[in-house]
Amino acid sequence: QQQVKQSPQSLIVQKGGIPIINCAYENTAFDYFPWYQQFPGKGPALLIAIRPDVSEKKEGRFTISFNKSAKQFSLHIMDSQPGDSATYFCAARENAGNMLTFGGGTRLMVKP
Amino acid sequence: KAGVTQTPRYLIKTRGQQVTLSCSPISGHRSVSWYQQTPGQGLQFLFEYFSETQRNKGNFPGRFSGRQFSNSRSEMNVSTLELGDSALYLCASSPGPLYQETQYFGPGTRLLVL
Repeated sequence: QQQVKQSPQSLIVQKGGIPIINCAYENTAFDYFPWYQQFPGKGPALLIAIRPDVSEKKEGRFTISFNKSAKQFSLHIMDSQPGDSATYFCAARENAGNMLTFGGGTRLMVKP
Repeated sequence: KAGVTQTPRYLIKTRGQQVTLSCSPISGHRSVSWYQQTPGQGLQFLFEYFSETQRNKGNFPGRFSGRQFSNSRSEMNVSTLELGDSALYLCASSPGPLYQETQYFGPGTRLLVL
């Protein structure tokens, strides 16, 4: 059972565009939602994370929007650059442990 | 600080063999988690260790096991390898077991089972 659903699976945008990646979850025990970026041959690296008591969080060009009632959250990448081309994963963690449940991933390509 | 290190980086085994993967967490980090990454199933949690004790375990068969040493280094073992065990195995460390602490991933060990 996929507890975190991520869409789209792949995304192509032009440089300067704003790719948006969406995630939805079912488990109401989740209360920490990180986003990871992964380049080929590397492990995932934390980009930004949010807790459900906050509706939006910005760090540099990355913004998370969170809708607790809809159990959805999304990642926006402002002024995207070719160097942002990577696979992005949303994740969720229950307050009872240190186990991350990941979405299926989105392969982003930013064209010059 | 050095990041999470995993050895070996690449490994080729045949069906039925067993394999041991190693993870050294960031200095000072005491919690280590393991994940399996495959194209079909994505990133899946295997288990988590803190202070040499397994705290959580994912939905994997008993062929997958792990342990943590007193210096926080961790190993995972897969016995009786199957073709489907081919994957990237990722280790992540965090300062402690508290859920709000960031997990930092290593580069992974890519295992190919023939």
